[in-house]
Amino acid sequence: DVKVTQSSRYLVKRTGEKVFLECVQDMDHENMFWYRQDPGLGLRLIYFSYDVKMKEKGDIPEGYSVSREKKERFSLILESASTNQTSMYLCASIPSLLVYNEQFFGPGTRLTVL
Amino acid sequence: QKEVEQNSGPLSVPEGAIASLNCTYSDRVSQSFFWYRQYSGKSPELIMSIYSNGDKEDGRFTAQLNKASQYVSLLIRDSQPSDSATYLCAGPRRDKIIFGKGTRLHILP
Repeated sequence: DVKVTQSSRYLVKRTGEKVFLECVQDMDHENMFWYRQDPGLGLRLIYFSYDVKMKEKGDIPEGYSVSREKKERFSLILESASTNQTSMYLCASIPSLLVYNEQFFGPGTRLTVL
Repeated sequence: QKEVEQNSGPLSVPEGAIASLNCTYSDRVSQSFFWYRQYSGKSPELIMSIYSNGDKEDGRFTAQLNKASQYVSLLIRDSQPSDSATYLCAGPRRDKIIFGKGTRLHILP
């Protein structure tokens, strides 16, 4: 079974703090994604990566950065957290975009920025 | 037109009836589709995928793809209270998977 794990289920941070969200997958998937999900707005893609050290901006990259130093790990960084970044953050991975297939999601991190 | 569109609902269906969820898509989305179910506070989980025109059945679930009309649907037979969730339609576009905003389904006991 593919497993995608995220470092925290719930996180509370203060405005201006630097926040790290970690995602690890154990099935050697090439592609990894970070989304945020907000009521009425659906899933919005922040960043994705198709290989180690490679990253691509998604639809809403502002205020975020990412790091992929190892194939199994994809980190999302909020350089200076703001209250409008309070959201559910979901990590996902997929074996390869050459063969379209399902995305496997992590359990999500609910981040609250005070 | 948005790339993947769904009615947000809520869709209320009596227990035991058929729930019908619909999704339309634009030309920019490749023609294979996924249906995810998401319970409140949980992450999405895949329940059906469909790659070719026509119907695909899996237990109580049937996915239908109509490429000519750019329309994909999910039918849930014998609806159960445990089917109450948000259902997301998704399709690939180049290097991403595009999700609809989801339809909230409520099964009435």
